[in-house]
Amino acid sequence: GNSVTQMEGPVTLSEEAFLTINCTYTATGYPSLFWYVQYPGEGLQLLLKATKADDKGSNKGFEATYRKETTSFHLEKGSVQVSDSAVYFCALLWGTYKYIFGTGTRLKVLA
Amino acid sequence: EAQVTQNPRYLITVTGKKLTVTCSQNMNHEYMSWYRQDPGLGLRQIYYSMNVEVTDKGDVPEGYKVSRKEKRNFPLILESPSPNQTSLYFCASSTLSGTVSGNTIYFGEGSWLTVV
Repeated sequence: GNSVTQMEGPVTLSEEAFLTINCTYTATGYPSLFWYVQYPGEGLQLLLKATKADDKGSNKGFEATYRKETTSFHLEKGSVQVSDSAVYFCALLWGTYKYIFGTGTRLKVLA
Repeated sequence: EAQVTQNPRYLITVTGKKLTVTCSQNMNHEYMSWYRQDPGLGLRQIYYSMNVEVTDKGDVPEGYKVSRKEKRNFPLILESPSPNQTSLYFCASSTLSGTVSGNTIYFGEGSWLTVV
């Protein structure tokens, strides 16, 4: 069946460090891929998305490229800030509003 | 402001005491859904609704009920809560117009439920 696997956290980085959070997926057909962010005490917010192979989603300095050949959608940011500390969820969408979420990766950025 | 509002945000209850978590959205969305979030398991879908009076089971529906009598509201009902339903619950909504991949799903802030 369809699934999303993302790296376990927590990930702890110093401010201005480079961030990569790995996400791979298994899916039939051509799903859309998403990254959601959950700040402490809040719900999930859409961070970025890509709807077809080779698309790059970007927002707030974060980027992720839909790689069909490696079934991956890794999240990257060149220089993280303390305010980026949150839990990040990779997700895929297939069929009629069927979302599959990864387990989430907690990011902690130290000043 | 576009919002999905859940209540209560925090609740401690006892086994077997019926409870309802309300969810309301102000965006006239057709689609609404409930998820639970558990450590190491991510978000799992409980129930969803494509419109008024149209509901269907998600991946983990056991022990839950829902209703969709009005477009804006989608309450989650635990008829006889058990400790394994202790979790963080999220309501979400989205429009069904346009392309599925083009629509953003909006989440509420979550409801922490503890069943003792």
